[in-house]
Amino acid sequence: QKEVEQDPGPLSVPEGAIVSLNCTYSNSAFQYFMWYRQYSRKGPELLMYTYSSGNKEDGRFTAQVDKSSKYISLFIRDSQPSDSATYLCAARSGGSYIPTFGRGTSLIVHP
Amino acid sequence: DAGVIQSPRHEVTEMGQEVTLRCKPISGHDYLFWYRQTMMRGLELLIYFNNNVPIDDSGMPEDRFSAKMPNASFSTLKIQPSEPRDSAVYFCASSPGQGTSTDTQYFGPGTRLTVL
Repeated sequence: QKEVEQDPGPLSVPEGAIVSLNCTYSNSAFQYFMWYRQYSRKGPELLMYTYSSGNKEDGRFTAQVDKSSKYISLFIRDSQPSDSATYLCAARSGGSYIPTFGRGTSLIVHP
Repeated sequence: DAGVIQSPRHEVTEMGQEVTLRCKPISGHDYLFWYRQTMMRGLELLIYFNNNVPIDDSGMPEDRFSAKMPNASFSTLKIQPSEPRDSAVYFCASSPGQGTSTDTQYFGPGTRLTVL
């Protein structure tokens, strides 16, 4: 079992929908959490970065971490076709600078 | 800045052949990472360097894989001999590291390797 688990999808939603992407993790030492976005045939790019529990908002994106349940979420408001990509969550402990990635969830936003 | 540069973008080779993948990190970045991505296993860290020194190569699958970073602007990942199960997309990433975490990794476009 991977330390960071994601449903691979695909998740298909209509334009304008609110999207919820989720990950679970098993390592209690994880303190830093990230979401990367990967377009087809491109490398991943960092989208959101959070420390410990709580919410962080950036435009249409909100990252949420619940350490008590080891649950990581990314919400996308007013989703656009340009949001169609694979979203990878990642986490790391305070003692390591190397994140552990989930397999990614494929999101399709159709017009 | 041109970002992380990888070459070749695509590589098709036959089993048993040597494969060399190349990476030029972003200038000034202290950390360089090599990843492999497959549908089954997702993104896996193979090895990473700090200031040209290999720090952790525990992700390198076996002795057929080797990586070098002779200077701050160039790294190679070599597979010799290659096998069909090595088929994957290989990403190089770099990170500034200084005074920050290495969470902000900047990925290259990847090399899609197919071993027949």
